[in-house]
Order: sequence, then structure tokens, then C-alpha cells
Amino acid sequence: AQSVAQPEDQVNVAEGNPLTVKCTYSVSGNPYLFWYVQYPNRGLQFLLKYITGDNLVKGSYGFEAEFNKSQTSFHLKKPSALVSDSALYFCAVLGGGYQKVTFGTGTKLQVIP
Amino acid sequence: ETGVTQTPRHLVMGMTNKKSLKCEQHLGHNAMYWYKQSAKKPLELMFVYSLEERVENNSVPSRFSPECPNSSHLFLHLHTLQPEDSALYLCASSQRTGGHQPQHFGDGTRLSIL
Repeated sequence: AQSVAQPEDQVNVAEGNPLTVKCTYSVSGNPYLFWYVQYPNRGLQFLLKYITGDNLVKGSYGFEAEFNKSQTSFHLKKPSALVSDSALYFCAVLGGGYQKVTFGTGTKLQVIP
Repeated sequence: ETGVTQTPRHLVMGMTNKKSLKCEQHLGHNAMYWYKQSAKKPLELMFVYSLEERVENNSVPSRFSPECPNSSHLFLHLHTLQPEDSALYLCASSQRTGGHQPQHFGDGTRLSIL
């Protein structure tokens, strides 16, 4: 089986401060890991993915994520948050011969001006 | 531009009505998906089609009936729905199933059952 956990329903951060949105996963074998963002009244948009190689992955809008195999984590980060980053963020995992991606429950990011 | 277009964006229907949701992708992808997104619940995968063949059906009630006439179009036919079926229905596509290529989502159909 594969699963992904986003332990925080909501994260609040002041504009200009660094942000982290947490994600941990469970999968057999090597994982493919993804982050998506959902703005109000929109579908999910792909931000970045980890396949193999460098543990630090850079994506759209200045976001990056760090793959940590020992901690089975894939936290999303950004050095300086913008108000426009306020949205719902989903972590997702695919691995172990599965044919479908499993999404987390989502974390609402609120950037406070 | 998303590359995946869903119509209608909003739909209000009674429990006895029959309606259909439409999804079209312009990305040349071979896999298409229907998801249900309800407030405070995980994203629920409903159906997966690969090369127009249904490869996944996650115990979805028969009042939801998918149709994939070709690799660019996906429909979700609705009949005799229940109030708990009110949700955002998202369509997505990807190059294929099981790979690391990301899914591309439409903006969804907001469905309200009276």
C-alpha cells in the first residue's frame, strides 16, 4: 500500500518569512513524489516532483522541496512567502508498482500581509 | 491555460435529474481521471481511463457512469444523485498511468444536489 500524510490542516506565515509545508509518505520501493497547488475555484496545478537524483527539487513560483529518504519526508519550502502564495497545497506519492497516485488531505497556506 | 477543459463549471440538479459532466484535454495524453473533492476530505479517485479503457473503478456508486469515447474526451453521467454527492468534480489527464509525469487538472464542475 502507499499513503501520504500532511500533518497540518493549515499553516500561517507572515509575508516575507520562509515557509514550510510538511509531507511524509509510505511506499514500497522508490517513490515518485509530487506537490500540487490549488487556488480558489481552480483545479490542482503541478508545482514540482521528485523522481531520482538530487534531493533538493526546484519548482514553479520559487518553491522547492527536499526529499529525505531516512525520514520518508518531502517538505515543501519557499525562502520568502508572498500573499499570493495563499492556497491549498497537496502532496502526492506514486510507487511500488502502483498505477495511481495517492494524494494527501491538503494543507491550507495562509500568508499574512 | 490549463489544457484540460471542464463543462459546465457549475451545476445544480435535483435528485431525480440526469445530467452529464464533460472533460476535454488538448495535451495529447493517454490517461484521464475523474476525482471527487469534498470539503475537509481527501481527494477521491473515482475512475481512471487508459487509452479509452477503464482501468480503475474505486467502488463508485452506479449512479455515476463514466464514458471515454476517445483519448481526448471524458464524460461523467449522473442520475438519481444524493445530497452527499454535492462536491467539486475534477477531471485530470496525464501522459500515461503509473509514470512520473504529473497530472494536469481542469478547473472542475461544482455540483450541488437539491
